[in-house]
Amino acid sequence: DAGVIQSPRHEVTEMGQEVTLRCKPISGHDYLFWYRQTMMRGLELLIYFNNNVPIDDSGMPEDRFSAKMPNASFSTLKIQPSEPRDSAVYFCASSTPNRVGGEQYFGPGTRLTVT
Amino acid sequence: LAKTTQPISMDSYEGQEVNITCSHNNIATNDYITWYQQFPSQGPRFIIQGYKTKVTNEVASLFIPADRKSSTLSLPRVSLSDTAVYYCLVGALIYNQGGKLIFGQGTELSVKP
Repeated sequence: DAGVIQSPRHEVTEMGQEVTLRCKPISGHDYLFWYRQTMMRGLELLIYFNNNVPIDDSGMPEDRFSAKMPNASFSTLKIQPSEPRDSAVYFCASSTPNRVGGEQYFGPGTRLTVT
Repeated sequence: LAKTTQPISMDSYEGQEVNITCSHNNIATNDYITWYQQFPSQGPRFIIQGYKTKVTNEVASLFIPADRKSSTLSLPRVSLSDTAVYYCLVGALIYNQGGKLIFGQGTELSVKP
């Protein structure tokens, strides 16, 4: 298996633009997670899905952020409009229920820079 | 909600055993403890998971006391390639019921020759 795939790997955009991050989880994994990582706040769980259904989005910072999972092999995280404080590395991860969500497989991340 | 506390950084030398402790005083009954390793420009990588007592795999051991208010990741005979940030994760997702997962702030381990 290729592991969790994220695209793009790097994104540079201007404030106010829409940004869409993409993720393909490992086949057969029921859970999909979106994280944000910054020096100041560390790793933050933004939202997670179970069987394509959003279960907990309490970590989504504000309404400018939205996430979807239209099928078991694809998810998007969208920021509209983007702001400089959204600059961070965004990780997608997936897991099976066997490890109560603890054994997650992370993608390589998308480094977002908003100028 | 289980809040976790880890040392910000640790130094070690090659060949030594390294123990990194995570405090999670209000861990819930259903919560598990999981440790991850992260190298620069990569996503975190699963190391080990446990619920209580001791768990060992080919790369590490995890010690959890009876009260489960802390856990210790033990790395035997570290090498330079073990230089990384180590995170503890506390929580559990119950299938079709939800749950919470909380990452600690991470411990930056530096292994010197």
